[in-house]
Amino acid sequence: AQSVTQLGSHVSVSEGALVLLRCNYSSSVPPYLFWYVQYPNQGLQLLLKYTTGATLVKGINGFEAEFKKSETSFHLTKPSAHMSDAAEYFCAVSLPGYSSASKIIFGSGTRLSIRP
Amino acid sequence: DAGVTQSPTHLIKTRGQQVTLRCSPKSGHDTVSWYQQALGQGPQFIFQYYEEEERQRGNFPDRFSGHQFPNYSSELNVNALLLGDSALYLCASRSWMGEKLFFGSGTQLSVL
Repeated sequence: AQSVTQLGSHVSVSEGALVLLRCNYSSSVPPYLFWYVQYPNQGLQLLLKYTTGATLVKGINGFEAEFKKSETSFHLTKPSAHMSDAAEYFCAVSLPGYSSASKIIFGSGTRLSIRP
Repeated sequence: DAGVTQSPTHLIKTRGQQVTLRCSPKSGHDTVSWYQQALGQGPQFIFQYYEEEERQRGNFPDRFSGHQFPNYSSELNVNALLLGDSALYLCASRSWMGEKLFFGSGTQLSVL
């Protein structure tokens, strides 16, 4: 079975500060890992995805995440927060392969607030 | 490209009623999945349709059923609505051999 734990339901940072959203996963096989963002009244948008290979993954809007197998973590970072980054962020996991690509297991989310 | 479209955007129903939600996938996509997102929670996988058949199912009761049409669009049906069915229902589409999911904006269902 697979699961995801997001540490901190709410994170608040100042504009220009480092953003760090924490995620730990559990999986019986090497998983695919994702970060999605959800703006109010909108669907989910993929920020970045790890499948295999390079453990540092760069995504859209300046976000990146590092896959650490030994720590079963996939934390999301951004060097400098912008007001437009305020949203709900979801870490997620799935089994590898196209047949499992629709069945994504999501964490409970972290709401990111940006202080002026 | 219109992306994934869902209708209606909002819906209010009473306990015990039945509801149908609709989804049109992104152009070129043939696989549709449905998710339930309760308030303050992450989305939960309900089921996936490909070639008009349910291919995978999450941990949801039989009150939740679906259908996929030859044009790849899909419906989610929920019977005997409970208060706990109040949630945002998200549709996502992809091509069967592809791995990237595209999500719609969802249908907000309120059960009173």
